[in-house]
Amino acid sequence: EVQLVESGGGLVKPGGSLRLSCAASGFSFSTFGMNWVRQAPGKGLEWVSSITSSGSNKYYADSVKGRFTISRDNAKSSLYLQMDSLRAEDTAVFYCAREYCDTNNCYVGTLGYWGQGTRVTVSS
Amino acid sequence: EIVMTQSPATLSVSPGERATLSCRASQSVSYNLAWYQQKPGQAPRLLIYGTSTRATGIPARFSGSGSGTEFTLTISSLQSEDFAIYYCQQYNNWPQYTFGQGTKLEIK
Repeated sequence: EVQLVESGGGLVKPGGSLRLSCAASGFSFSTFGMNWVRQAPGKGLEWVSSITSSGSNKYYADSVKGRFTISRDNAKSSLYLQMDSLRAEDTAVFYCAREYCDTNNCYVGTLGYWGQGTRVTVSS
Repeated sequence: EIVMTQSPATLSVSPGERATLSCRASQSVSYNLAWYQQKPGQAPRLLIYGTSTRATGIPARFSGSGSGTEFTLTISSLQSEDFAIYYCQQYNNWPQYTFGQGTKLEIK
């Protein structure tokens, strides 16, 4: 069974930093690209960042480019999001998510497996 | 950026009735459109991908249709557990995914 468990959220002051982690299990982590998606309180879903299976390619939403860094450790089956220069508008629940696979194929771009989320609050 | 627009923002439907949710893309996304259901305090759940294919375990009362810029999610006979927020997502412009703002499906 695919499991994704986020951690590392908390309360941080504007301008501060936080590192989120996502522990993966139940699948061959090193063969899948991974994603971070966030949801501000009472708002919709926003894609934040993606990383390819090897970690060689990383992608960011414009809203976090230059401030957030996605990374992974395939030996530890873990995904990370280093968040620097945090702003009040970064307050959200952050989810890690993986593409969906059925018995025949995997569908890049879909988000079929999600963690439970970790809450980040940026406030003075 | 591809902008996804969902309508209506809120839909009030009685149990047992049909619900039709719409999603429009600012440019063509081909068939690369997914639908998610989210209940309070829970992570989103994938319902439909590739415009019309149900994910594993999703009941047949959920169906998707459309192509290009216009898409529809239909729930044929609403059950109590279907009242939630629904999001569409385009993944044609991978990995610059974008989501609609959501449609809240509430009990009439």
